[in-house]
Amino acid sequence: AQKVTQAQTEISVVEKEDVTLDCVYETRDTTYYLFWYKQPPSGELVFLIRRNSFDEQNEISGRYSWNFQKSTSSFNFTITASQVVDSAVYFCALSGNNDYKLSFGAGTTVTVRA
Amino acid sequence: GAVVSQHPSRVICKSGTSVKIECRSLDFQATTMFWYRQFPKQSLMLMATSNEGSKATYEQGVEKDKFLINHASLTLSTLTVTSAHPEDSSFYICRGKEGTEAFFGQGTRLTVV
Repeated sequence: AQKVTQAQTEISVVEKEDVTLDCVYETRDTTYYLFWYKQPPSGELVFLIRRNSFDEQNEISGRYSWNFQKSTSSFNFTITASQVVDSAVYFCALSGNNDYKLSFGAGTTVTVRA
Repeated sequence: GAVVSQHPSRVICKSGTSVKIECRSLDFQATTMFWYRQFPKQSLMLMATSNEGSKATYEQGVEKDKFLINHASLTLSTLTVTSAHPEDSSFYICRGKEGTEAFFGQGTRLTVV
């Protein structure tokens, strides 16, 4: 069974602070995919990143960066110099190689205050 | 990127009526459609998986006679909530898959009064 744990329920920061969202996963699959999605108040899911289990390179995209540590089954997400527009719920998700079904974490609500 | 168009975005219906939600893949052929549900302040949970031309596979605890899924073509899948009740009020979102890529629709916020 797949399981994703996002231990942080809510994080509140002041604009320009960095914020790191934790994600720990469990799976028996040797090949799997990890995702991060942003869900703003409007509700739609905004795709941020997909990483396959064989690619442990960290990634940076603008103010976003991701740290994949297979040894600790973690896929953490950092927003650098946060902005008010970053306020949203962020979900980490996992899918196995064969079915593409997503198992979501509980989500972390990020509030960035001006 | 590929687009899944989901309609309606919001719907309010009376208890006991049925509501149909449509997901159309606009520039790809969705051989598989996943349907998720998200209750307020909760995470997304997979309800069912449908492959074009086949009966949907429902996750444990999801009533197949209440949530009717039709995936008759590669570009259209529908979810019908039958005899809706207030406890069915939720955010429903589809995810269409072609090959190794999959894309979410915009979601439908259903309120049953």
